[in-house]
Amino acid sequence: GPKVLQIPSHQIIDMGQMVTLNCDPVSNHLYFYWYKQILGQQMEFLVNFYNGKVMEKSKLFKDQFSVERPDGSYFTLKIQPTALEDSAVYFCASSLPDGYEQYFGPGTRLTVL
Amino acid sequence: QQKVQQSPESLTVSEGAMASLNCTFSDGTSDNFRWYRQHSGKGLEVLVSIFSDGEKEEGRFTAHLNRASLHVSLHIREPQPSDSAVYLCAMSIDQGGSAKLIFGEGTKLTVSS
Repeated sequence: GPKVLQIPSHQIIDMGQMVTLNCDPVSNHLYFYWYKQILGQQMEFLVNFYNGKVMEKSKLFKDQFSVERPDGSYFTLKIQPTALEDSAVYFCASSLPDGYEQYFGPGTRLTVL
Repeated sequence: QQKVQQSPESLTVSEGAMASLNCTFSDGTSDNFRWYRQHSGKGLEVLVSIFSDGEKEEGRFTAHLNRASLHVSLHIREPQPSDSAVYLCAMSIDQGGSAKLIFGEGTKLTVSS
């Protein structure tokens, strides 16, 4: 099936630093999503993004979080500054305009020390 | 707040025996439901998406949806050890063409040979 790539697969950073997680979505998809999964817990919606704008965000999408996709390049999730509770696996997904099927990447495991 | 609950938490079946997983959602507002599989350390693989009451089959995977009872199930025919994974149920909340997925906590399936 369609592939979503995420870079890097693992990231370890010190609390307070900035981190950018990168997502290479399926080429003809226009809707993009980030989900967060803390170890042993359920996956939770963070944000969705279309046409350069955030469409909806959850309460987990703190002010320190931002998303963008400049000029059709990577869809990114930036956290600045990071906190210990940001340690989790972050999954990117993308879908066609009708929002029917979301295809997920393999995740980026973020560890904040 | 919309919620998805899965049961059982874990399930062990013998190779070749039918495996049945359950999912209950909090209300009837969702348009569609999905079953995903997540192998350890990997991303999500969509198994079945179901939009209307009744049954939908994708290979060895069959989903049953009953909106009136707020229930969707997944049956895996002739499971193999390679089917051992965490199975996630999700309901899709569509708002203006951009959807978010609400996930359950997962059922850990172990298929013994």
